[in-house]
Amino acid sequence: GQQLNQSPQSMFIQEGEDVSMNCTSSSIFNTWLWYKQDPGEGPVLLIALYKAGELTSNGRLTAQFGITRKDSFLNISASIPSDVGIYFCAGRGTGNQFYFGTGTSLTVIP
Amino acid sequence: DVKVTQSSRYLVKRTGEKVFLECVQDMDHENMFWYRQDPGLGLRLIYFSYDVKMKEKGDIPEGYSVSREKKERFSLILESASTNQTSMYLCASQEGRNNEQFFGPGTRLTVL
Repeated sequence: GQQLNQSPQSMFIQEGEDVSMNCTSSSIFNTWLWYKQDPGEGPVLLIALYKAGELTSNGRLTAQFGITRKDSFLNISASIPSDVGIYFCAGRGTGNQFYFGTGTSLTVIP
Repeated sequence: DVKVTQSSRYLVKRTGEKVFLECVQDMDHENMFWYRQDPGLGLRLIYFSYDVKMKEKGDIPEGYSVSREKKERFSLILESASTNQTSMYLCASQEGRNNEQFFGPGTRLTVL
């Protein structure tokens, strides 16, 4: 199955810093989702994007659906310790199956 | 809020045992999915179901089967567990075909 390229693989940042991560695909997608997963838990949906160019916010989180429809970006502003976790992107083309990135592990240093 | 529950958070089984992983969702969603999650490999789709008694193979169905006798319940079966099936198993639920998936808390299975 297809796998999305997600980068960076891991990030270590100071509390208060902004964070950016992205996902790219070789195929065009119609939907992009961003999830956060805490250790030992299932992924929790953060933001859903359905239209090329769309920019959506959820509190300090902002995600964008790339114009080419082959990429998406997630930004976290003013990071706090509870932002620690693994962030996953997921994309869906014309079929029903979602494909997932390998995750970005975020560590926030107080 | 959508709630997806999985029968066990942690499970330890022996090689050759038959293993049942249960998933229940409470939002009357048509679609349900089983994934496994391994370090460096992300989430890989094992099986999915669009309706009761319906099932379709995902990317890695070998060694697994599924059952969907009721709309709210989707079971993953390991007929004869092997050590390479040690993994985190995640169930997801989805309304319709164009919406986001909601995940359960996961079952961490260890096969000895």
